[in-house]
Amino acid sequence: NFMLTQPHSLSESPGKTVTISCTRSSGSIASNYVQWYQQRPGSSPTTMIYENNQRPSGVPDRFSGAIDSSSNSASLTISGLKTEDEADYYCQSYDGSKSVVFGGGTQLTVL
Amino acid sequence: EVQLVESGGGLVEPGGSLRLSCAASGFSFSDAWMSWVRQAPGKGLEWVGRIKTKSYGATTDYAAPVAGGFTILRDDSTNMLYLQMNSLKTEDTAVYYCSTVNWKGHVDYWGQGTLVTVSS
Repeated sequence: NFMLTQPHSLSESPGKTVTISCTRSSGSIASNYVQWYQQRPGSSPTTMIYENNQRPSGVPDRFSGAIDSSSNSASLTISGLKTEDEADYYCQSYDGSKSVVFGGGTQLTVL
Repeated sequence: EVQLVESGGGLVEPGGSLRLSCAASGFSFSDAWMSWVRQAPGKGLEWVGRIKTKSYGATTDYAAPVAGGFTILRDDSTNMLYLQMNSLKTEDTAVYYCSTVNWKGHVDYWGQGTLVTVSS
C-alpha cells in the first residue's frame, strides 16, 4: 500500500490563490485517478475534483486539479479564495483497484 | 436524487458487536459498488471497505485495521447495504459513512453518517 501525504494546514487571504499538495509515497501518481473532497464541519465530504482534473457540475471553476509525475504528486488549486472555501480538503486515490486511500487532510483557513 | 441514509450507530462496549445499515435510493443500487468510510472524532477520513456488484461476484475488500472483524453485506432486493462489526475496539469509535464508489476509485455519493462509540 502507498500513502498520500498532505500539508496539515494552510492559510491564505481572501482573493488569493492557494495550492494544496498530495504526494504519493510509492508507485506512480499517474497509475490511478486522484480525487479531491471538501468537508465542512459537521457535514459529509463532497467532491471538488475527480479523475485528476474533472469538476463535478456545480463546483466553481476556481477549483482545479492536476498531477505532476516529476514530483509524484497531485495538487488542488483554489483561486480567488472566498471565506466559504474554509474547510478540510482530502485527496484520495486507489491502491491496485482493491483499496481506497485517503490523504490525511489539509485544514484550509481563509482570513 | 441519490440518497444514502445510515442507521444503527450507538454506544457499544469493547468486544461487542454492532450492525450498521444504509438505505439507498435514487439510483440503480444493484449496479453500484458500495463502500464504507469512517472518521474518528477530530481525525481524517479512513476507508473501511468495499463490496462490488453481483456481476463482479459481490467481492469485498477491507482495510487492514478492520479485516477479519468487519463484514460488508448487500441486499439488492431491498437496496440495503450493511456493515457488520464484531470484536469492536475503542479505536473503532467514529462516524461511519455509507458511500458509492465507482470502478475508477471515485467515492461519488456519501450518506450523512452514523456515530459509533465504543466505550465501557
